[in-house]
Amino acid sequence: GQQLNQSPQSMFIQEGEDVSMNCTSSSIFNTWLWYKQDPGEGPVLLIALYKAGELTSNGRLTAQFGITRKDSFLNISASIPSDVGIYFCAGQGVGETSGSRLTFGEGTQLTVNP
Amino acid sequence: KAGVTQTPRYLIKTRGQQVTLSCSPISGHRSVSWYQQTPGQGLQFLFEYFSETQRNKGNFPGRFSGRQFSNSRSEMNVSTLELGDSALYLCASSLPWTPGTGELFFGEGSRLTVL
Repeated sequence: GQQLNQSPQSMFIQEGEDVSMNCTSSSIFNTWLWYKQDPGEGPVLLIALYKAGELTSNGRLTAQFGITRKDSFLNISASIPSDVGIYFCAGQGVGETSGSRLTFGEGTQLTVNP
Repeated sequence: KAGVTQTPRYLIKTRGQQVTLSCSPISGHRSVSWYQQTPGQGLQFLFEYFSETQRNKGNFPGRFSGRQFSNSRSEMNVSTLELGDSALYLCASSLPWTPGTGELFFGEGSRLTVL
């Protein structure tokens, strides 16, 4: 199935460092969502973006909806050990016919060394 | 507010059997979606239900089916299980789609192992 291109696939950083990851798509999206998933659990919603160019923060997390509507990035500042996990971007299609259907990126595995 | 509840959390089946998974959405959410997560294919959309009607369907064979009840609870069924059906099956609930309400909230998933 169609997937978004998410990069990097994995990151190994030291506690306190900033992190940046992004997603690109050949299709435009109405909504971009960022999720975090811990092992054995379901994805947890971090940030939702609804407008092209929108920049939204949630604590140490900041995400932006690209102007072209085909990309988004997520930044994590001053990382801490509990940031470890897999981060997914997800795009939601245009129009009511797409409903709530999400297309997911492949995920970024983040490891934080204390 | 209770989150999305999925049962069972873990189950083991053998090839050829069938399985039914259950999902109770967040109170007030009337849209329920199902996703399959595997290491090779990632998170793939199965189908979405709203008001007991399937509104959207992903590219999965007919062995995968679902339904939604009047209380918005949903079930998905996989018949004639194959080894490749081993996966984490995730249910997500949301408000009916309108601009600016795209947030989906996931349950913890049902881990299916097919032997």
